[in-house]
Amino acid sequence: ETGVTQSPTHLIKTRGQQVTLRCSSQSGHNTVSWYQQALGQGPQFIFQYYREEENGRGNFPPRFSGLQFPNYSSELNVNALELDDSALYLCASSPLAGGGNEQFFGPGTRLTVL
Amino acid sequence: QQQVKQSPQSLIVQKGGISIINCAYENTAFDYFPWYQQFPGKGPALLIAIRPDVSEKKEGRFTISFNKSAKQFSLHIMDSQPGDSATYFCAAMAGSARQLTFGSGTQLTVLP
Repeated sequence: ETGVTQSPTHLIKTRGQQVTLRCSSQSGHNTVSWYQQALGQGPQFIFQYYREEENGRGNFPPRFSGLQFPNYSSELNVNALELDDSALYLCASSPLAGGGNEQFFGPGTRLTVL
Repeated sequence: QQQVKQSPQSLIVQKGGISIINCAYENTAFDYFPWYQQFPGKGPALLIAIRPDVSEKKEGRFTISFNKSAKQFSLHIMDSQPGDSATYFCAAMAGSARQLTFGSGTQLTVLP
């Protein structure tokens, strides 16, 4: 059984650019949540995807958007990058319909915005 | 209020000692309280979790104590080991999306 994987590991972009981050959920998990972790802080909930639709959103602007595919993998897209978007982006998958209590995190993608 | 407050920010313990990390919350809608361990360059890993109808849960060297009336919960690490050196996050979960709200983290260093 493979765990949650994310790509790329690291990414450097400039302000105003767009970025796409990818996540493959753990086998059998149908729900994916995305979190942003700024340096020295706890992760903050961005949104969750279940059955290919957004199923809850945190306090993030619309330039943060996502997709979930039929195989339950997911993408996080961020448009018009700002310096404050520099962070570790974490994907977490859950095994139960609608999201379960146990969320399994991937290693994250480190995004640096210059 | 969605905030979860965590203390201390950093903690240094001798090998074999007890590490204690505290968290407090305001939102009574929270119904699940996990603790995560994170090593540098890795994602958070679930350590132990508790529901608010239980006052204590123990798994090996790790114990959660939960005080529902005070809206506080804590993690105790018994017989702390150098391998326990990591950042620990308390969290609370609510809503149909099972959204996690994290504390700010505690960097634990266990001296050999």
